[in-house]
Amino acid sequence: EDQVTQSPEALRLQEGESSSLNCSYTVSGLRGLFWYRQDPGKGPEFLFTLYSAGEEKEKERLKATLTKKESFLHITAPKPEDSATYLCAVQAAGGYNKLIFGAGTRLAVHP
Amino acid sequence: GAVVSQHPSRVICKSGTSVKIECRSLDFQATTMFWYRQFPKQSLMLMATSNEGSKATYEQGVEKDKFLINHASLTLSTLTVTSAHPEDSSFYICSASRQGHDGYTFGSGTRLTVV
Repeated sequence: EDQVTQSPEALRLQEGESSSLNCSYTVSGLRGLFWYRQDPGKGPEFLFTLYSAGEEKEKERLKATLTKKESFLHITAPKPEDSATYLCAVQAAGGYNKLIFGAGTRLAVHP
Repeated sequence: GAVVSQHPSRVICKSGTSVKIECRSLDFQATTMFWYRQFPKQSLMLMATSNEGSKATYEQGVEKDKFLINHASLTLSTLTVTSAHPEDSSFYICSASRQGHDGYTFGSGTRLTVV
């Protein structure tokens, strides 16, 4: 069964304190791994798509990496406005384009 | 960039009534749209995949007679929660993919409260 596990569930950081969020996945043929940011009461906002092991993508203070078993979202020198829930999702080969989401990591960055 | 508009953002209805939620792709044609439900502090659970001009594909455990999905055009999909009960109270979100663009675009969500 295709599965996505994110850790930690919640993370509290001081402003400027870099850290990483983990997304472990089990899928029968990975078509793509997606990272989204979700603010309270809103829909997810697209961040990155990764397609193959070894791939990396960056956007401002965020960097996403991918291996055959997991993905990391690295946050460098975070700011309070980076506080949100970060969701990881996978798309399986033969999965008819649907995404399977992890439970998310709730990030709080304090000044 | 691609925009998906979802309406209403909030709705309160009485138990036993039906509620319709609309999802529109504003600047592109979406042959496939997805409907998710999200409970507090939980992740998104896919309910169904909506294909333009054909019947929706429902995930296991989702009652197709209760959650009616219509995708009558390339820019509009609707989710109707029929005979709503308090346990249907949740955050409903739609998404669509756009050919040639990375990722999936999500609507802003609808908070449904059944009283």
